[in-house]
Amino acid sequence: GENVEQHPSTLSVQEGDSAVIKCTYSDSASNYFPWYKQELGKGPQLIIDIRSNVGEKKDQRIAVTLNKTAKHFSLHITETQPEDSAVYFCAASRTGNQFYFGTGTSLTVIP
Amino acid sequence: EAGVTQSPTHLIKTRGQQATLRCSPISGHTSVYWYQQALGLGLQFLLWYDEGEERNRGNFPPRFSGRQFPNYSSELNVNALELEDSALYLCASSLLTGAQPQHFGDGTRLSIL
Repeated sequence: GENVEQHPSTLSVQEGDSAVIKCTYSDSASNYFPWYKQELGKGPQLIIDIRSNVGEKKDQRIAVTLNKTAKHFSLHITETQPEDSAVYFCAASRTGNQFYFGTGTSLTVIP
Repeated sequence: EAGVTQSPTHLIKTRGQQATLRCSPISGHTSVYWYQQALGLGLQFLLWYDEGEERNRGNFPPRFSGRQFPNYSSELNVNALELEDSALYLCASSLLTGAQPQHFGDGTRLSIL
């Protein structure tokens, strides 16, 4: 089955700096890559996703890049704010199959 | 549009008891997924239901079971509770299986005393 690895497990940045979280996957048939943000006491919320026919996608301060050849994808958060502090999860899946999640990254934005 | 709803929010049980957790998916979603999240850890896949059928289960003992009803709601049953079952149990739903976003509820916090 699919195996998703996520790094780093913890990340601290100064407010206003950028944060990058990286994930690798093993199944070349995976074609959908979502990112989730989980705040304390809440369920994970989808923040951005990308499909295998696209190399990059942006939504305001958040962007995701995908390298199908190397089988890795990354989340980029620019101009970080304290409210960006949370746990972030990446996932990979393919049509007709379940999600495989990374182990999570705890992001702390220091004011 | 109402999101995924889970009940109860908190559940306290003692070792050996049985627990039932419930999930109502977003209207129109036919796939339901259950995950276990122990404190400070990641999302461990438990069960996946689609159109009333169990499609896959994670690496959990048989005392973890569930079902999906004709209205696509679902319940997770945990028998013979053990201390290590204490965790946040999350339910997610999606319109189609795979390659579509999963939408999560806020979970049921199960505490075993």
